[in-house]
Amino acid sequence: DAGVIQSPRHEVTEMGQEVTLRCKPISGHNSLFWYRQTMMRGLELLIYFNNNVPIDDSGMPEDRFSAKMPNASFSTLKIQPSEPRDSAVYFCASNPPGQGCNFGPGTRLTVL
Amino acid sequence: AQSVTQLDSQVPVFEEAPVELRCNYSSSVSVYLFWYVQYPNQGLQLLLKYLSGSTLVKGINGFEAEFNKSQTSFHLRKPSVHISDTAEYFCAVSSYKLIFGSGTRLLVRP
Repeated sequence: DAGVIQSPRHEVTEMGQEVTLRCKPISGHNSLFWYRQTMMRGLELLIYFNNNVPIDDSGMPEDRFSAKMPNASFSTLKIQPSEPRDSAVYFCASNPPGQGCNFGPGTRLTVL
Repeated sequence: AQSVTQLDSQVPVFEEAPVELRCNYSSSVSVYLFWYVQYPNQGLQLLLKYLSGSTLVKGINGFEAEFNKSQTSFHLRKPSVHISDTAEYFCAVSSYKLIFGSGTRLLVRP
């Protein structure tokens, strides 16, 4: 079991650029979550998918953020255009029903 | 709505001493409770979970937690800590999504 896989692990970009973060959940897990971690706000849930369908996106900060899950093995989180305040560590997590999440290693995003 | 309060932002302790990290939760429905650990520059690792049954839950690395419904608490304990336990610890509550507390930094000193 390779666990949740995220790429890239680190991303440095300039303000205004588009950023795409990728996630491969654990096979067989039907729920996928995107979290953001910052010093100021801690761990925030951005969006939750169940069976590839977005169920709760109330945590998505604004229209600049979008997430997709085209199939059970892949999800993306896109920021367009990026801003310095988007700098954070972005975690993807997956879980089977009723269990705790398995987290990926995270993507550290720095927007200059 | 659900929420989690971790009362201590940092807990310093000497090696081989016992430790308790406090967690209180609020929820109007039955929930599952979790403790996660985050080592520097790493993701979150599940330490233990309470889903149902026995209120004393044992996890990895010698940690355990006790679910107390009347006090809405889920405190994490370890009888003897090691230097390697230095990390950030997060309590979380879940119905379908995990809601995290603000974290407690455990600092183990030699």
